[in-house]
Amino acid sequence: DAGVIQSPRHEVTEMGQEVTLRCKPISGHNSLFWYRQTMMRGLELLIYFNNNVPIDDSGMPEDRFSAKMPNASFSTLKIQPSEPRDSAVYFCASSSGTGYSNQPQHFGDGTRLSIL
Amino acid sequence: GEDVEQSLFLSVREGDSSVINCTYTDSSSTYLYWYKQEPGAGLQLLTYIFSNMDMKQDQRLTVLLNKKDKHLSLRIADTQTGDSAIYFCAETGSQGNLIFGKGTKLSVKP
Repeated sequence: DAGVIQSPRHEVTEMGQEVTLRCKPISGHNSLFWYRQTMMRGLELLIYFNNNVPIDDSGMPEDRFSAKMPNASFSTLKIQPSEPRDSAVYFCASSSGTGYSNQPQHFGDGTRLSIL
Repeated sequence: GEDVEQSLFLSVREGDSSVINCTYTDSSSTYLYWYKQEPGAGLQLLTYIFSNMDMKQDQRLTVLLNKKDKHLSLRIADTQTGDSAIYFCAETGSQGNLIFGKGTKLSVKP
């Protein structure tokens, strides 16, 4: 079975450029999560969708970050303009649960983003 | 606020038991999780425990939950070099998301 698929695996770009990260959740999962991982701050939740609707975007750092989920099988996280401090590993995860559920979150392998 | 704390490093010898500890703040968390992250990879769910349980065993893994002290531990019996990874404790947040600790890096020496 295909897991959560993220692309690209690695992205290196210059500051000021637009960056788009992509995620395909596991088929049938109705919740999707975007996380950012850095050495300093650990793993932080950026935004959480349920049935394609954003439920909690309080972790989105600022207006330069935006996320969309146009359908159940695709989501994007966009950074415009990008800054060096956005360098991190970005993970997408999906689950079949909502609210207080024991359905585990399945993670993709992440996108390692470097902003020069 | 919601917070999860773990020690950052643990080093053990191959064949010994490893115990990774975690404390959390939200007493209403229904489930508590342990995830494993190997280098260059995403997080893999290892095991989880429902909040009304004290213990859960799954092959070499034993999870202990002390709800009064809000303390969770993961014991790995007969630790192998393949167990070297970062282990994350997580609790369910109020929005249905997961609140992760910063992870414990387990190093297994031959």
